[in-house]
Amino acid sequence: GESVGLHLPTLSVQEGDNSIINCAYSNSASDYFIWYKQESGKGPQFIIDIRSNMDKRQGQRVTVLLNKTVKHLSLQIAATQPGDSAVYFCAEIEGQTGANNLFFGTGTRLTVIP
Amino acid sequence: KAGVTQTPRYLIKTRGQQVTLSCSPISGHRSVSWYQQTPGQGLQFLFEYFSETQRNKGNFPGRFSGRQFSNSRSEMNVSTLELGDSALYLCASSVADTQYFGPGTRLTVL
Repeated sequence: GESVGLHLPTLSVQEGDNSIINCAYSNSASDYFIWYKQESGKGPQFIIDIRSNMDKRQGQRVTVLLNKTVKHLSLQIAATQPGDSAVYFCAEIEGQTGANNLFFGTGTRLTVIP
Repeated sequence: KAGVTQTPRYLIKTRGQQVTLSCSPISGHRSVSWYQQTPGQGLQFLFEYFSETQRNKGNFPGRFSGRQFSNSRSEMNVSTLELGDSALYLCASSVADTQYFGPGTRLTVL
């Protein structure tokens, strides 16, 4: 990822284990959340999204959990693979303003150990 | 379907110059957003264009501007470049809420 200068939280997992990446958001009016994956030299890649009327959404090997009470979002990756190594960002949109701009978290660097 | 494309991929400029970056959205996407990514500030929203109109703007100085053409392609311009403008500039297109990003343009200001 490109945020190498930030104090990124880091997570190292063994290949085949499950990964959990956490994200706290501050705007209680945010009603749409997205997880992105960014590999070195590339733009963010959409992984999965969830709306505020849901608590959980599953994709292929990924699950997103949303806890609106504590304003917390998590991304679970099952059977983590070396190709999952990247920086992961959560992003939010406040729907009430009608604006379409994403607010990104600082990101978490996931390293998968073969 | 082709993804979002951005040109050029790399640029080197000197302080005081201006630069224009280009973004071609995914076919059918009418919204184009621009973001700046730096090691110190992370990903920050610049502005969004929809149907050739700026619909939303982030907290960047007026040196940063953009436009969108009738085919939804977008350009962003930065005038009077400063060293702090060195960054990865990302363009994202969307048809609804989900934004899909291009590979970015890496701008280095010397």
